[in-house]
Parts: sequence; structure tokens; C-alpha cells
Amino acid sequence: AQSVTQLDSQVPVFEEAPVELRCNYSSSVSVYLFWYVQYPNQGLQLLLKYLSGSTLVKGINGFEAEFNKSQTSFHLRKPSVHISDTAEYFCAVRGADGLTFGKGTHLIIQP
Amino acid sequence: GAVVSQHPSRVICKSGTSVKIECRSLDFQATTMFWYRQFPKKSLMLMATSNEGSKATYEQGVEKDKFLINHASLTLSTLTVTSAHPEDSSFYICSARAGPTYEQYFGPGTRLTVT
Repeated sequence: AQSVTQLDSQVPVFEEAPVELRCNYSSSVSVYLFWYVQYPNQGLQLLLKYLSGSTLVKGINGFEAEFNKSQTSFHLRKPSVHISDTAEYFCAVRGADGLTFGKGTHLIIQP
Repeated sequence: GAVVSQHPSRVICKSGTSVKIECRSLDFQATTMFWYRQFPKKSLMLMATSNEGSKATYEQGVEKDKFLINHASLTLSTLTVTSAHPEDSSFYICSARAGPTYEQYFGPGTRLTVT
């Protein structure tokens, strides 16, 4: 079985400041990790994914994440956020039965 | 990436009636489709997993007689909410994948409001 913990339900940050959204996972099988973004009243859009290879993964909209096996983490980062990044962000781990999601982190960008 | 559509995007129905939500994979064949429910400001809760041609597997606590799922073809799955009640009001999102090692693609969601 697998699980995902997103430690912060809400993260406020000023525009153009850096941000890190935390994600920790547990999995008994091979680890495949994902970050999704959800804008209000919309479905999920894939930001980036780690399947294998380099532990630093770059995604869309300037986001990146680093897979850390020893810390069982997959934190999402962006060096400079924009007002349009305001959204809900979900970390997920893939298991045999599909994706298991964290509870989400609401990123709030303050002008 | 692959595209998954949902129809309708929004639906309002009266208590006691049934409503059907369609999920289609537009440019790939989906051997497995997933149905999620999302409450306001909450994460996605997996309701059921359906494999084409087989009965859906429901998660614990999800009433299979209330939430009927059909996956009759490799590109279409339907979720029917029977005898809807106001507490069934929610955002329903479907997801599809071509196989166990393939990526899951998500539909845009359907907002159901039961009055």
C-alpha cells in the first residue's frame, strides 16, 4: 500500500518570492511520483512526474521537484511565483491500483 | 498528452432523480477508468475503478447501487448517480489510462448540484 502526506494545507507567499510545497510518501513498491495542479472548478493538470533517472525533475510553468529516497520526499519548488500560480496542488504516488493523492496544498499568492 | 473529456461539465438535478455523467478518452484506448469525488477544499477520493468489460471495483464506503459505473467500451465510462440527494452534490472527476504502467489522464470534472 502507498500513502502521501502533504504537510501544509495552505501556503501563502508573496508574488515573485520562491516557494516549496512539501510532500512525503510511503510505498512498498517501485516509486512513481507526481505533482498535479488544480485551478478552481477544473480537473487536474500534470505538472511533473518522477518515474526513474535524474532525481531533479523539471515540469511546466517553471516548477521543479526533487526525489529524495532517503527522506521519502518529493517537494515541489518554484524560484519565483506569479499570481497565476494560485491553485491547489496535489502530490500523488502511483501504485498497482492507480494513483493515491495527498490532501492537497492551497498555494496563495499575495501581491 | 492524451485527452479525457467529461459531459456534462455542470448539472443540476432534483432530489430523487438520476443523473448520468460520461467520461471519454478521446485519443487513446482506456483499459482502466477511475472515478473520483472531490468535496470542497478537499482532496480527491477514489470511488471506483473500472476495467473495460468488467464490473467496477468500488472503494470501501461507496454504495455500488447508488453510484452505477459502466465501462462498456475502451473509450467510454459512465457514472450514474441514482436517486440523487443533496449530499451527493459534489465535483466528480474521471481519469483514464491505457494500461497498468501508463499515465493516468484526468477529465475536467463535472459539478453536480442536487436541489
